[in-house]
Amino acid sequence: GQQVMQIPQYQHVQEGEDFTTYCNSSTTLSNIQWYKQRPGGHPVFLIQLVKSGEVKKQKRLTFQFGEAKKNSSLHITATQTTDVGTYFCADNYGGSQGNLIFGKGTKLSVKP
Amino acid sequence: SAVISQKPSRDICQRGTSLTIQCQVDSQVTMMFWYRQQPGQSLTLIATANQGSEATYESGFVIDKFPISRPNLTFSTLTVSNMSPEDSSIYLCSVSLGTGTRLREQYFGPGTRLTVT
Repeated sequence: GQQVMQIPQYQHVQEGEDFTTYCNSSTTLSNIQWYKQRPGGHPVFLIQLVKSGEVKKQKRLTFQFGEAKKNSSLHITATQTTDVGTYFCADNYGGSQGNLIFGKGTKLSVKP
Repeated sequence: SAVISQKPSRDICQRGTSLTIQCQVDSQVTMMFWYRQQPGQSLTLIATANQGSEATYESGFVIDKFPISRPNLTFSTLTVSNMSPEDSSIYLCSVSLGTGTRLREQYFGPGTRLTVT
């Protein structure tokens, strides 16, 4: 079945260092959504990428969608302690039905 | 955006019993979803609950175990039936505000933490 692989599973960084999480699929992704879940919280939508090669930025966060639409990445520049949480990518394989299949997530910890 | 509440926020239940989780949205939405998340793990879609139609279940989930109601555009319930310790998890509902081909993000409720003893 449809699978979305996400690496790394964990990432520990010093505050100020950069962080990247990668999302990959063996099949073409419909579109990619990225969510952040703080410890003890629920997932919160960050962004959606639809077009091949698309790049979007939100302050220190940069999101990319691969040319072949089989991979995506989230890069955080100069991490802060507020960036702590688990970052999930999700493929909207259900199209207009909105069904999402989530990657396993990357848990980011930031040491001050 | 949408504001979603869930009841109960947590519960401890005995095996063999059933628990009904409620999900309330502050606006009318067509698409609602129920997920399960083991602590520290990813989210797994249980079913899609659209108002006016039967819920659609994902592979590995069946209606007898997880019956869902969707009586109107702002409310849904998920029942976890005949519970076993393996059902211990966080259950989240979510909504999508998009319709048709306009793909939209999902807004999640705070979750219900279920422990089955």
